[in-house]
Amino acid sequence: GAGVSQTPSNKVTEKGKYVELRCDPISGHTALYWYRQSLGQGPEFLIYFQGTGAADDSGLPNDRFFAVRPEGSVSTLKIQRTERGDSAVYLCASSVNGAASTEAFFGQGTRLTVV
Amino acid sequence: GENVEQHPSTLSVQEGDSAVIKCTYSDSASNYFPWYKQELGKGPQLIIDIRSNVGEKKDQRIAVTLNKTAKHFSLHITETQPEDSAVYFCAASLDNAGNMLTFGGGTRLMVKP
Repeated sequence: GAGVSQTPSNKVTEKGKYVELRCDPISGHTALYWYRQSLGQGPEFLIYFQGTGAADDSGLPNDRFFAVRPEGSVSTLKIQRTERGDSAVYLCASSVNGAASTEAFFGQGTRLTVV
Repeated sequence: GENVEQHPSTLSVQEGDSAVIKCTYSDSASNYFPWYKQELGKGPQLIIDIRSNVGEKKDQRIAVTLNKTAKHFSLHITETQPEDSAVYFCAASLDNAGNMLTFGGGTRLMVKP
């Protein structure tokens, strides 16, 4: 299928380690979003890319979190010095161009567990 | 910032009955309100949305109503089927394109056959 692909699907890491989560958006989609979903809660906005640039990163919780999209396609969410509170499902979504009337399609998420 | 409250957190209905989920939002400038369905182990999927210039929108068995004065919006599912069982999320956005969504806490809907 040609949906949003996220890898890995599951990641277990030790507290203090560095992790990278990858998102492959639908081909041709210029808008890309990262959300974080804690157990039993709704997704929480992290960052929104339009092309290669971050249009809004106001949802990143602190400077341990960083995301890049160097070529305007694949995006990587990077978390430094992981903490147990970072454990959640990280969701990526993409849309054609981020304009009104364009649907955002979500991937299945990466479940991050910090032990 | 925007805050979205969603009720109920769980809802159990008999197959064929209707289900209603309600959300309130805090920022009167919000103008885009989508609803998502999330099945176990999957990402949210858009099922219907409404913009602030419309009071009601319907798509087959699903309808959404919006009351901007009261700052609340609701999802109505008629003739529920077992495959409607999932977690449903409402969301609100200040951006008409929905580029930064604030989600409600979710409603787990269970449709009993």
